[in-house]
Amino acid sequence: QKEVEQNSGPLSVPEGAIASLNCTYSDRVSQSFFWYRQYSGKSPELIMSIYSNGDKEDGRFTAQLNKASQYVSLLIRDSQPSDSATYLCAVILNSGGYQKVTFGTGTKLQVIP
Amino acid sequence: KAGVTQTPRYLIKTRGQQVTLSCSPISGHRSVSWYQQTPGQGLQFLFEYFSETQRNKGNFPGRFSGRQFSNSRSEMNVSTLELGDSALYLCASSPDRSGRETQYFGPGTRLLVL
Repeated sequence: QKEVEQNSGPLSVPEGAIASLNCTYSDRVSQSFFWYRQYSGKSPELIMSIYSNGDKEDGRFTAQLNKASQYVSLLIRDSQPSDSATYLCAVILNSGGYQKVTFGTGTKLQVIP
Repeated sequence: KAGVTQTPRYLIKTRGQQVTLSCSPISGHRSVSWYQQTPGQGLQFLFEYFSETQRNKGNFPGRFSGRQFSNSRSEMNVSTLELGDSALYLCASSPDRSGRETQYFGPGTRLLVL
């Protein structure tokens, strides 16, 4: 089992719809979770961080965390063509005494005008 | 504030050579992390430096090493290059690395090993 898993997509949604991106992780004791957006040919940029169970909202973005199910998701409301990018889930895992930032392979989102 | 800068932006090397990449963090940031990004493996954590000390590391062989200087600038070195080392190498800086601060990524160095 991969440490952080995401569906690679592409996930296609029409403009104005809700895009739902999912991520599961293997380390039950992980405490820090992040969503990054990466446009083609660009570096990742942080969208949201979440540390506690439940929902965290920031504008059109909502991150949801369920530690019992080892599941974190990102909802994008009123999706825009400019949201078309690869979305990376990142989790801080403890490995051999070190904290290791582990990324999923990303989900490619396409918002169709 | 200037962003994270990385030099060089592009590099072509041959197998067996070594390479050194440089990263200058955002002013005031003390933590620098390095990542390798490839189409097949995605973004993988190499190591993190804080106050000139390697604080965390990923699962890469010893050919990959790094260091951080007193001004927080960091270098990453890869010795005895292999074809599989061809990748985009990204560094990211943050004020600290307690696990909750935002990391800011640089533009990356694209390395091609022939």
